[in-house]
Amino acid sequence: GQSLEQPSEVTAVEGAIVQINCTYQTSGFYGLSWYQQHDGGAPTFLSYNALDGLEETGRFSSFLSRSDSYGYLLLQELQMKDSASYFCAVRDGANNLFFGTGTRLTVIP
Amino acid sequence: DADVTQTPRNRITKTGKRIMLECSQTKGHDRMYWYRQDPGLGLRLIYYSFDVKDINKGEISDGYSVSRQAQAKFSLSLESAIPNQTALYFCATSDYRAHTGELFFGEGSRLTVL
Repeated sequence: GQSLEQPSEVTAVEGAIVQINCTYQTSGFYGLSWYQQHDGGAPTFLSYNALDGLEETGRFSSFLSRSDSYGYLLLQELQMKDSASYFCAVRDGANNLFFGTGTRLTVIP
Repeated sequence: DADVTQTPRNRITKTGKRIMLECSQTKGHDRMYWYRQDPGLGLRLIYYSFDVKDINKGEISDGYSVSRQAQAKFSLSLESAIPNQTALYFCATSDYRAHTGELFFGEGSRLTVL
């Protein structure tokens, strides 16, 4: 089975940097994805790590350590519009995704 | 127009009723999925399909059934709805050629079972 843990809530100040951690236990692992979901909206894809290391996409970066079964999403230069829920998800060999319970990020002025 | 379209967007029904949620996509993807989202529980996989002749159970398939009528259409049925099936349901697609963990989600169907 799959098990993912991430903090339920994080609050950060506009313009700051925030890191959202994700630890996982899985029977088959092919990669870690991150999704953003605004209230009432659909999840949207942010990033994917199949190998150890850091992937950068604009203000967002994602890190993976397969040996530690750990990853994080780093959001820089926070903006009010970044207030949303963020989900990590592990990809298994069948290309299915199993999601964590989500971290609600609140950005304050 | 949205690439992944779900209907209905909102539905209120009574216990014991049969409900069908429909999903259609114009992305040309072969893989389609149904997820359920409950507050505090994230998204859980109900069923997935890799092509028209392929249907697979996910984590929480009990009480649900699906039909893949065409490559572009994947419907989810609740044969006899019960209140704990009240949730937000998402359809998603992916391209088998892209091993990036990227799913494309519809806007969701909010179902309330009274």
